[in-house]
Amino acid sequence: GAGVSQSPSNKVTEKGKDVELRCDPISGHTALYWYRQSLGQGLEFLIYFQGNSAPDKSGLPSDRFSAERTGGSVSTLTIQRTQQEDSAVYLCASSQVALAGGIQYFGAGTRLSVL
Amino acid sequence: TQLLEQSPQFLSIQEGENLTVYCNSSSVFSSLQWYRQEPGEGPVLLVTVVTGGEVKKLKRLTFQFGDARKDSSLHITAAQPGDTGLYLCAGVSLNDYKLSFGAGTTVTVRA
Repeated sequence: GAGVSQSPSNKVTEKGKDVELRCDPISGHTALYWYRQSLGQGLEFLIYFQGNSAPDKSGLPSDRFSAERTGGSVSTLTIQRTQQEDSAVYLCASSQVALAGGIQYFGAGTRLSVL
Repeated sequence: TQLLEQSPQFLSIQEGENLTVYCNSSSVFSSLQWYRQEPGEGPVLLVTVVTGGEVKKLKRLTFQFGDARKDSSLHITAAQPGDTGLYLCAGVSLNDYKLSFGAGTTVTVRA
């Protein structure tokens, strides 16, 4: 597709279970970002990938969160032992360049609900 | 603590009225972006302002970047129901690629 694709669009899980969220960036975009959007909180930066460089994981809230990007394209965000406070919309974005101010194109997000 | 404070949090107006959304920070940014997000969708970039004091117009939307590059405003003239959405400002760090987002302003324009 032409845009950033995320799956699933909705995920309901039980506390303590692991979840995987997938992001397909725009073809040719070298930079990929994950954000978390909680109600009334705005977007919170989680992790950033740029080409083959080591990812910037500085925004990950705990060691239960991890992400990988295979082949410089698809990315998976994994949350282990989910907690209720993990409930949020997880947004992925990609950009052609990683320079400051580069346009980030967002997917529609995955709404995660932890019961 | 939000690096960028947006106000108001909610705004409900009648079609045809004007509105202004504010985005304030104590930090200086290299540039500032405004996004609109509709329910079930990701944010979509509206504009990037780069120079202190810059004013950009996008049809009925006017964006201004403060002289000190710490704050910005979005003004909508003669709002229409299609302007309804969550408006987010995001500051681009002086040092890297990271965006710092405000919490957003939910705008509802009633027909």
